[in-house]
Amino acid sequence: QVQLQQSGAELAKPGSSVKISCKASGYTFTSYYISWIKQTTGQGLEYIGYINTGSGGTNYNEKFKGKATLTVDKSSSTAFMQLSSLTPDDSAVYYCARGLLPHYWGQGVMVTVSS
Amino acid sequence: DVVMTQTPVSLSLAIGQPASISCKSSQSLVHSDGKTYLSWILQRPGQSPKRLIYLVSKLDSGVPDRFSGSGSETEFTLKISRVEAEDLGVYYCWQATHFPLTFGSGTKLEIK
Repeated sequence: QVQLQQSGAELAKPGSSVKISCKASGYTFTSYYISWIKQTTGQGLEYIGYINTGSGGTNYNEKFKGKATLTVDKSSSTAFMQLSSLTPDDSAVYYCARGLLPHYWGQGVMVTVSS
Repeated sequence: DVVMTQTPVSLSLAIGQPASISCKSSQSLVHSDGKTYLSWILQRPGQSPKRLIYLVSKLDSGVPDRFSGSGSETEFTLKISRVEAEDLGVYYCWQATHFPLTFGSGTKLEIK
């Protein structure tokens, strides 16, 4: 069955970076894009962008340009998202999901930014 | 960005009652390819979201047929014919016609 297994929770200091992973299984990895979504209590669900898992091409929500960097490792069927220059506003649960019309979702990664 | 407005904010219903959730978009969701990319997801407590419906009215595999979606252009509705205990959680509509995808603010369904 389709699974997206994300890495564990992160506690990071302001100004630092984190890189979270999303390992896909149960389907041909390069047949679907991977989308990334941010969830906070205050802002709800926000779409960060997507990566073409075959070509590595990306498209970012303007709001997250410069904040998120999406990459992919086809050899391990894993997508990555790096968040840089972290501030407390980046504290959230981050999900990866399969496709441009997100169908299957990962379990989410809680990122906490605190000094 | 397209704004998705959901109502009501919350619902408290007994098992067996019908439910209806409205979702309105700030602009038409009809894509240039003729399709309407409006979906509904359910997030149960402590879980990641699960897609229920896509392209306005198509049920995802395994989704009970008590769920239905309808609407066009800017107004859409999710209906549950008879609420069951497993239906509790937060329902979100979202659109993928215009980039970036945008989500409604959610409707929390509680079971009385």
